[in-house]
Amino acid sequence: DAGITQSPRHKVTETGTPVTLRCHQTENHRYMYWYRQDPGHGLRLIHYSYGVKDTDKGEVSDGYSVSRSKTEDFLLTLESATSSQTSVYFCAISEMTGSPYEQYFGPGTRLTVT
Amino acid sequence: RKEVEQDPGPFNVPEGATVAFNCTYSNSASQSFFWYRQDCRKEPKLLMSVYSSGNEDGRFTAQLNRASQYISLLIRDSKLSDSATYLCVVGNDYKLSFGAGTTVTVRA
Repeated sequence: DAGITQSPRHKVTETGTPVTLRCHQTENHRYMYWYRQDPGHGLRLIHYSYGVKDTDKGEVSDGYSVSRSKTEDFLLTLESATSSQTSVYFCAISEMTGSPYEQYFGPGTRLTVT
Repeated sequence: RKEVEQDPGPFNVPEGATVAFNCTYSNSASQSFFWYRQDCRKEPKLLMSVYSSGNEDGRFTAQLNRASQYISLLIRDSKLSDSATYLCVVGNDYKLSFGAGTTVTVRA
């Protein structure tokens, strides 16, 4: 299994509070991604990173920000959590050599906003 | 229109049966194709890449039809452990688009 961890694994927070989720990899992969998964939807891309300090928006980026100050860490921040952000969040990594485009996922973070 | 569409199922099959399902994708410029497997409350895991010529991995066979823009997965000799949700995934450059998944339940 790819060396990807996410923290916390579970979190319950109140509407309006800031929340930061962390993704950590030990594979030295260049690309990192944040997705959310909700019933009836496929995984939807929130933000991604193509290198240290290089990030871009995905299809559902409103209300989220990211930062990547080191190759191994990619942080997702909900500036002011809303109930619509209750979801399962997955981090993924990929590299463009060897097997391009394949992504490997972390174990996920279950976030509940009350 | 969703980029990747799948029949959600569920497909309920007995052990030993063959089950097949497919997905369609909308972006004709898509470059890479995969099937991922996701167990309940777990992360998606890569099952297999899908190549234009079709490919097999043990009991799993994947086919790609670029002209009609669909991808199929066939599972032969189903095992109880094959029960999962199968995600059809299509890639363009380094970004992937995911279908919502097809649920397969294999019963004893």
